[in-house]
Amino acid sequence: DQQVKQNSPSLSVQEGRISILNCDYTNSMFDYFLWYKKYPAEGPTFLISISSIKDKNEDGRFTVFLNKSAKHLSLHIVPSQPGDSAVYFCAASEHNTDKLIFGTGTRLQVFP
Amino acid sequence: KAGVTQTPRYLIKTRGQQVTLSCSPISGHRSVSWYQQTPGQGLQFLFEYFSETQRNKGNFPGRFSGRQFSNSRSEMNVSTLELGDSALYLCASSLEDGSYEQYFGPGTRLTVT
Repeated sequence: DQQVKQNSPSLSVQEGRISILNCDYTNSMFDYFLWYKKYPAEGPTFLISISSIKDKNEDGRFTVFLNKSAKHLSLHIVPSQPGDSAVYFCAASEHNTDKLIFGTGTRLQVFP
Repeated sequence: KAGVTQTPRYLIKTRGQQVTLSCSPISGHRSVSWYQQTPGQGLQFLFEYFSETQRNKGNFPGRFSGRQFSNSRSEMNVSTLELGDSALYLCASSLEDGSYEQYFGPGTRLTVT
């Protein structure tokens, strides 16, 4: 049973526009959420995270929104740049564990 | 500060053999986690070690095992390899500062023939 779901396997966005990547989860015990970016032949790179006590966290061009009642989070990238093209994974962890449950990823392509 | 390093980067083994993968965490990080990435299943948690003790375990068979040394370096072992074990094995370390942020190494690409 997939506890963290990324229903869009791919997303294509024009440079300069907003990219919105979505993630849904089913386990109400998750209380910390993270987004990772992954290039081919490299390990995932941490981007941004959010605790369940918040509904928004912003870091430069990246903003993560959390809707606990809907069990949904999203990553906004504004403005999108070609270098943002990669696979994006959302991940969740339960309180006090380092066990991350990952979604299946969304491949983002930013074209000029 | 050096990142997470994993050796070897690539490995080819035959069914039935065993393999040992190594991971050196970021200096000062005491928690090490292992993940398996396959095209069909995505990134799946294998196990996590902290202070030489396995603290969390995923849903993998007993053929998958690991350990952590006093310097926080970690190894994982897969015995009696199967074709389905072909995957990218990723190691991640974390600082245990309450942020749950994990930093990944480049991975070991294991191919079982």
